[in-house]
Amino acid sequence: GAVVSQHPSWVICKSGTSVKIECRSLDFQATTMFWYRQFPKQSLMLMATSNEGSKATYEQGVEKDKFLINHASLTLSTLTVTSAHPEDSSFYICSARDTNRGYNEQFFGPGTRLTVL
Amino acid sequence: DAKTTQPTSMDCAEGRAANLPCNHSTISGNEYVYWYRQIHSQGPQYIIHGLKNNETNEMASLIITEDRKSSTLILPHATLRDTAVYYCIVRVDPNNAGNMLTFGGGTRLMVKP
Repeated sequence: GAVVSQHPSWVICKSGTSVKIECRSLDFQATTMFWYRQFPKQSLMLMATSNEGSKATYEQGVEKDKFLINHASLTLSTLTVTSAHPEDSSFYICSARDTNRGYNEQFFGPGTRLTVL
Repeated sequence: DAKTTQPTSMDCAEGRAANLPCNHSTISGNEYVYWYRQIHSQGPQYIIHGLKNNETNEMASLIITEDRKSSTLILPHATLRDTAVYYCIVRVDPNNAGNMLTFGGGTRLMVKP
């Protein structure tokens, strides 16, 4: 299957700092990528849909000014958590659709664990 | 998308078949049943999907009842590495570019030696 990578795999930062997480489709093009957040012992919650070359669509309750998404190319989307606080500590997962395979194929990255002190 | 109901957790003996049920009684005619799994601290992994016919691939089999109100994911010979949370997801039109996945609580499968 297609491979999606995330970087970094884990990050620890101080409260008030910003953290950028990268999501890359390694061997396919993805016009659409999705960002999820998962708190301990909970399911994945969709945060936003990222479309290449346009603004992201955020789910209700997700602050677009706090979680900045940039999808500048067909293989890269970034999520920046601005002014991070301890309550933002979570497991952030991205997924990408393979444009050439059809929209029913969605591949997930390995996730990034963010810990805000 | 229709709501799904899954048992919170299940145990299975290594080498035996694991049968994971999913109830989706409000499924509509154009909704597909998808299964993903998530091993601890990893991203979800696609397993299988189907509309109304039973499906089989190298990972699992998907049995969908005739009325499509429920389905069962079957791992024919479970191994310890199959220990994960299994998500049953119902979604409309997989060819719709705007159609994201909505995850429920899933079933935590524990395969025991």
